[in-house]
Amino acid sequence: GAGVSQSPSNKVTEKGKDVELRCDPISGHTALYWYRQSLGQGLEFLIYFQGNSAPDKSGLPSDRFSAERTGGSVSTLTIQRTQQEDSAVYLCASSHSGIPYNEQFFGPGTRLTVL
Amino acid sequence: DAKTTQPNSMESNEEEPVHLPCNHSTISGTDYIHWYRQLPSQGPEYVIHGLTSNVNNRMASLAIAEDRKSSTLILHRATLRDAAVYYCILRDQAGGTSYGKLTFGQGTILTVHP
Repeated sequence: GAGVSQSPSNKVTEKGKDVELRCDPISGHTALYWYRQSLGQGLEFLIYFQGNSAPDKSGLPSDRFSAERTGGSVSTLTIQRTQQEDSAVYLCASSHSGIPYNEQFFGPGTRLTVL
Repeated sequence: DAKTTQPNSMESNEEEPVHLPCNHSTISGTDYIHWYRQLPSQGPEYVIHGLTSNVNNRMASLAIAEDRKSSTLILHRATLRDAAVYYCILRDQAGGTSYGKLTFGQGTILTVHP
């Protein structure tokens, strides 16, 4: 079956521009996560959506970052006024629910480069 | 969050068993032990998880110490495709701060030689 998909696969932008990254989770998965992976920081959690509950935004690095999940399915991560330190691979994952023994399925990521 | 400690890197030869250790001395009674791996240029993928008992699946085995302060991921016959970064992660089933999200450490870089 279809896995988690992300678009675009690569995004190059100029400092100060806004970007939107999209994630299509596996159908039926109620939990959706965003992570990012950069050379200096490794893999770090950004935000977590579970059903209709308020998202866990504890990993967002600044108020320039926001995410929404519409209709319990597709999610968009928005970065406003991008900075060079935002350059990273942004990974999306989904799972049946947030319960800790459910495996998370990751997408291929979006590589963001801020010039 | 309870932390895990893994060696930075390990090497193996193809078709030989590999034992990847993980220390988690501050593990709580409600923490699951998960292993994920990340192949080059891909997102992480789930390998296995356990709570107290040893676990086997088609990819690997997980051996958990009796006191749960350490665990070992066992690849029975390494292949070149197993070359990846392996992450040992604790997830709290009781709704603690690690609930839901995965907290990745630096992991172990596994190199497999032909």
